[in-house]
Amino acid sequence: DAKTTQPTSMDCAEGRAANLPCNHSTISGNEYVYWYRQIHSQGPQYIIHGLKNNETNEMASLIITEDRKSSTLILPHATLRDTAVYYCIVRPRGEYGNKLVFGAGTILRVKS
Amino acid sequence: NAGVMQNPRHLVRRRGQEARLRCSPMKGHSHVYWYRQLPEEGLKFMVYLQKENIIDESGMPKERFSAEFPKEGPSILRIQQVVRGDSAAYFCASSQKTGGNTGELFFGEGSRLTVL
Repeated sequence: DAKTTQPTSMDCAEGRAANLPCNHSTISGNEYVYWYRQIHSQGPQYIIHGLKNNETNEMASLIITEDRKSSTLILPHATLRDTAVYYCIVRPRGEYGNKLVFGAGTILRVKS
Repeated sequence: NAGVMQNPRHLVRRRGQEARLRCSPMKGHSHVYWYRQLPEEGLKFMVYLQKENIIDESGMPKERFSAEFPKEGPSILRIQQVVRGDSAAYFCASSQKTGGNTGELFFGEGSRLTVL
């Protein structure tokens, strides 16, 4: 079962920052926060992940609160191609890896 | 460096036939995961395999479905005696052996099964 809570949908204006929140109040110390997205009919795409420090890559930034109970994915300059379902997932670190459990995600609509 | 390759991309079967879906993981990846996405629904985990071993099959239906990842060749998801409810997109993902690392999953573009 998914251990995260996300808004069902969000709208964002093209060129503006998209801030997608995620609550994971029951996260444990050995669990990472992962973000994936799925553009219509395509396979899910990895975006970013973190444990407790904020992370940034060429796609996005991940801000994790100090208590780790919530996080925010930031797309700094959203484009129409960023319209997708965004999934926030907590995943334990394990010797043999672990499956990702997807919830319903947030439908992000970027509008011109 | 090729990504996760799935084939066929589209498969049509009549009720009662068998469906075989293939997945070649990314180079260097030894872990394979299968997910199913029913129309207008979310991604549901089915099975997680390493070479020649099933690690977690908690999401696999008890009957008609099987998966393998042989020493040589792609991973195969096999659905026997398909029914209309099996119509879905089936996604495969792969990851490296984690050994304590985070091992993100990389997904293929999916195989879309239609049962007539």
